Amino acid sequence: DAGVTQSPTHLIKTRGQQVTLRCSPKSGHDTVSWYQQALGQGPQFIFQYYEEEERQRGNFPDRFSGHQFPNYSSELNVNALLLGDSALYLCASSLAGISGNTIYFGEGSWLTVV
Amino acid sequence: AQTVTQSQPEMSVQEAETVTLSCTYDTSESNYYLFWYKQPPSRQMILVIRQEAYKQQNATENRFSVNFQKAAKSFSLKISDSQLGDTAMYFCAFMIGTSYDKVIFGPGTSLSVIP
Repeated sequence: DAGVTQSPTHLIKTRGQQVTLRCSPKSGHDTVSWYQQALGQGPQFIFQYYEEEERQRGNFPDRFSGHQFPNYSSELNVNALLLGDSALYLCASSLAGISGNTIYFGEGSWLTVV
Repeated sequence: AQTVTQSQPEMSVQEAETVTLSCTYDTSESNYYLFWYKQPPSRQMILVIRQEAYKQQNATENRFSVNFQKAAKSFSLKISDSQLGDTAMYFCAFMIGTSYDKVIFGPGTSLSVIP
């Protein structure tokens, strides 16, 4: 049973560019959330997707957008990259409708903006 | 708004000894869940232990146990018989008890187990 998988593992982008990160949820899960973890800090919630729609969003600018596909996989897009966007981006999956159910995290995508 | 505070940025413990990591949280919700996650250098976020707020009994998982004080909004993690593999960042985290699985993390405590 595959867990949460993310790609790419590492990438380097230039300021002003755009980036797309991908996530496949754990088998059987239908909800995907994205988190940003800056170096030395705890993860911060970006947004969550369920039934191909953004269900809730954290305090992140519109430069951060996402998408969920019919197979429940998801993409995180960041436009007009800033140096401050350098971070580990974590994807998490869960099954909707179950209060307090266990959330599974992927190993993350390291983004460096130069 | 919900917040999670971890007042110990770094801690160390001798191998085989016991260590306690502190966490406090703030919420007006009555139905919520608390977690401790471990993040080793590999960066994989691993669930260590969870506690349902409606349960008075403290959760335990092998060498890991919690001291949940609901009135004080305190949720500490005790690691017994510390092992070298316990070296990692530990995050205290909170989730409101709805199906919207948004997790709020604390800033983390870096734990080093010394041989």
